[in-house]
Amino acid sequence: DAGVIQSPRHEVTEMGQEVTLRCKPISGHNSLFWYRQTMMRGLELLIYFNNNVPIDDSGMPEDRFSAKMPNASFSTLKIQPSEPRDSAVYFCASSLKGWDTDTQYFGPGTRLTVL
Amino acid sequence: GNSVTQMEGPVTLSEEAFLTINCTYTATGYPSLFWYVQYPGEGLQLLLKATKADDKGSNKGFEATYRKETTSFHLEKGSVQVSDSAVYFCALITNRDDKIIFGKGTRLHILP
Repeated sequence: DAGVIQSPRHEVTEMGQEVTLRCKPISGHNSLFWYRQTMMRGLELLIYFNNNVPIDDSGMPEDRFSAKMPNASFSTLKIQPSEPRDSAVYFCASSLKGWDTDTQYFGPGTRLTVL
Repeated sequence: GNSVTQMEGPVTLSEEAFLTINCTYTATGYPSLFWYVQYPGEGLQLLLKATKADDKGSNKGFEATYRKETTSFHLEKGSVQVSDSAVYFCALITNRDDKIIFGKGTRLHILP
């Protein structure tokens, strides 16, 4: 299995530009999570989906952030407009739903730098 | 609410030293407990887990025991290696929802 795939691995953009991060979860997994990691705040859960439906987006910092999951094999996290404080590593993770299979599998992350 | 507290780092040890990284939790119900590890430049990986009280999770020489009476899940290893240098995250998930709650992470440096 290829694991969770994220693209791009690195993104450098200028303030005000739109940024789209992409994620392909492990085939067959029902749940998908987006996290942000910074030195100051550590690992923060932004949003998670179950069966392509957003369940909890309380971690999304503000309206500039949006996430979609149009099908079971693809999700996007969009920032529009981007700001320097959005610079972070963004991780996508997926898991099978169920309490005996609750391990999350993380992608390699996208390192975002907003100048 | 649910929360995880782990010791602040960085923790610096010499190779072959004994490692303990403390983790305590607050949760309603009966959570499952996890240790995840993040190697430089990579995403988090599950290291070990325990799903009920007194269970011991173990992997790659690391161990942690689910202690309900002290609400703890301390990570231990008898003899660390340079390759164990990473950031370690304690986490929990309850049977109420799918959200994993992570601690802030503990950076471990092992010196040769």
